[in-house]
Amino acid sequence: QSAPTQPASVSGSPGQSITLPCTGTSSDVGGYNFVSWYQQPPGKAPKVVIFDVGQRPSGVSNRFSGSKSGNTASLTISGLQAEDEADYYCCSWTSSGTYVFGTGTKVTVL
Amino acid sequence: EVILVESGGDLVQPGGSLRLSCAASGFIFSNYPMHWVRQAPGKGLEYLSSILGDGGSPVYANSVKGRFTISRDNSKNTLYLQMDSLRAEDMAVYYCARDGSSGWNFDSWGQGTLVTVSS
Repeated sequence: QSAPTQPASVSGSPGQSITLPCTGTSSDVGGYNFVSWYQQPPGKAPKVVIFDVGQRPSGVSNRFSGSKSGNTASLTISGLQAEDEADYYCCSWTSSGTYVFGTGTKVTVL
Repeated sequence: EVILVESGGDLVQPGGSLRLSCAASGFIFSNYPMHWVRQAPGKGLEYLSSILGDGGSPVYANSVKGRFTISRDNSKNTLYLQMDSLRAEDMAVYYCARDGSSGWNFDSWGQGTLVTVSS
């Protein structure tokens, strides 16, 4: 099972919007609406910010939104803030009955 | 409050074995599937294994299938990962995670335990 591909890094200025893509295959991202996104600050455990493609857990800022088109899922962070600086990973259910994480994107707030 | 605490990480030689534990509290443990995820130093997250709430239907990533065994003891609210035939590439922080109470995700994570594989 190959990991869905994410850009290594994305940056933006405070207040801007950025979009993080996650490109998989029809056996994972494209085949199921079971894509989640995790935020991991340096040295900390991951935290879910989006599940089931576009659902936001209670307590997560509405600046985080998710979508999917074909084999590519996307996480958009609007109104970028310094506290959003972290690594972000997509994760998808797969046809093998397991999960697979994306390669991860480092978000830098300029 | 959901609390997950991993333990058992240690320095082990290549070819050796180790058992990790994850103590859970703050929720009805037997109601939730549980998962193991790891992160090698400076690398990304890697899914390893899952188990249903009743201990059935364990599944594994290809990278650990046949070497790692997931299990749970619902009477002790504890999840386990037995790791055999350890390799240098198994060196990582190992996290346990709870299945989402809504949807398909990992909604709670422990702080992780470090496994070092070296001679």
